[in-house]
Amino acid sequence: AQSVTQLDSQVPVFEEAPVELRCNYSSSVSVYLFWYVQYPNQGLQLLLKYLSGSTLVESINGFEAEFNKSQTSFHLRKPSVHISDTAEYFCAVSPWGDYKLSFGAGTTVTVRA
Amino acid sequence: DTAVSQTPKYLVTQMGNDKSIKCEQNLGHDTMYWYKQDSKKFLKIMFSYNNKELIINETVPNRFSPKSPDKAHLNLHINSLELGDSAVYFCASSQSGQSTDTQYFGPGTRLTVL
Repeated sequence: AQSVTQLDSQVPVFEEAPVELRCNYSSSVSVYLFWYVQYPNQGLQLLLKYLSGSTLVESINGFEAEFNKSQTSFHLRKPSVHISDTAEYFCAVSPWGDYKLSFGAGTTVTVRA
Repeated sequence: DTAVSQTPKYLVTQMGNDKSIKCEQNLGHDTMYWYKQDSKKFLKIMFSYNNKELIINETVPNRFSPKSPDKAHLNLHINSLELGDSAVYFCASSQSGQSTDTQYFGPGTRLTVL
């Protein structure tokens, strides 16, 4: 079985400041790792994912996440946030060879001017 | 050109009623899912179909019954609605259901049971 822990339920941040959202997972098998974002009143959409190769993955809108196998973490960072980054962010894992995606409880990011 | 669409967007009903939520995807994907998001925004898988075959059936009351008439549609029927069924229900699809797949989510259906 897998579990995902997002360590911060709410992260308020000022515009143009950096942000880090923490995600840890536990699993008895190898997993693939994902970050999804949910903007207000919308469905989730993929932000980035780690499948293999370089442990640092980037999204097109400036987010990056680093897979750390020894710490079983997949933290998400952005060096400078915008008001439009206000959203709910979900970390998720999918075991190799399985159909199921398990989500963390989400982190609410509120960006203020 | 919505990729994954759900109807209705909002559903308000009385306890004990039966209701359905419809989902359609035009991405040509083989796999579709239903998720429930509770009031604390926790997201949990309920069902998944691959090529019209049920492949994930989590611990969900048997009042919930998914139906997939074809690969592009996955509907959710709920009998004898209870207060605890109030939530946002998301439909999603993915190319083939593999663990590497990106899932594409619909806009959600907010169900309120009174």
